[in-house]
Amino acid sequence: EVHLVESGGGLVQPGGSLRLSCAASGFTFSSHWIHWVRQVPGKGLMWVSRINGDGSSTSYADSVKGRFTIARDNAKNLLYLQMNTLRVEDTAVYFCARFPSSGAHFDHWGQGILVTVSS
Amino acid sequence: QSALTQPASVSGSPGQSITISCTGTSSDVGFYDLVSWYQQHPGKAPKLIIFEGSKRPSGISNRFSGSKSGNTAFLTFSGLQAEDEADYYCCSYAGSSTWVFGGGTKVTVL
Repeated sequence: EVHLVESGGGLVQPGGSLRLSCAASGFTFSSHWIHWVRQVPGKGLMWVSRINGDGSSTSYADSVKGRFTIARDNAKNLLYLQMNTLRVEDTAVYFCARFPSSGAHFDHWGQGILVTVSS
Repeated sequence: QSALTQPASVSGSPGQSITISCTGTSSDVGFYDLVSWYQQHPGKAPKLIIFEGSKRPSGISNRFSGSKSGNTAFLTFSGLQAEDEADYYCCSYAGSSTWVFGGGTKVTVL
């Protein structure tokens, strides 16, 4: 069974940094693109970033480009999101989500982790 | 990367059919056949219910169907049920390895 489990969230001051992790199990991790999607509590979903299977290609939403970095460790089945220069508006629940090996849709999601940016 | 446009809320009685729209542009919804739909219950992760515009994953009820016309995608519920009460989001590939979601629609079963 596919499992995605996020960790690393918490409270951080504006301008600070935080690194999220997503532990994957139940599938061949390196065969799948993985994404980060976030949701401000009570609001809609927003795509944040994605990384391809071998980590050689990444892309970002304009609002996080230059501040966030997505990476993966296929030997450990781990996905990361390094978040720097955090802003109050980055406060959200962050989900990691998987694409199937063939397809451009999110077929499995983690449970999400809350990041709060506040002084 | 502007969000796709969905109605904020749609309601219906049990057994009724309802449709949610998802309007984008000729650069996302209108250009790619890569619209997906997600159901989200409060406090839960989103769940895939439609992909590639009209395909259902295994285990998803055939009461859900997807379609597209021009720059607008649609999710139709045939025979609304109480457990369908949730938030629904559309998502489309937007080119250059980016994706865009709709603002979400709250479905209420009366």
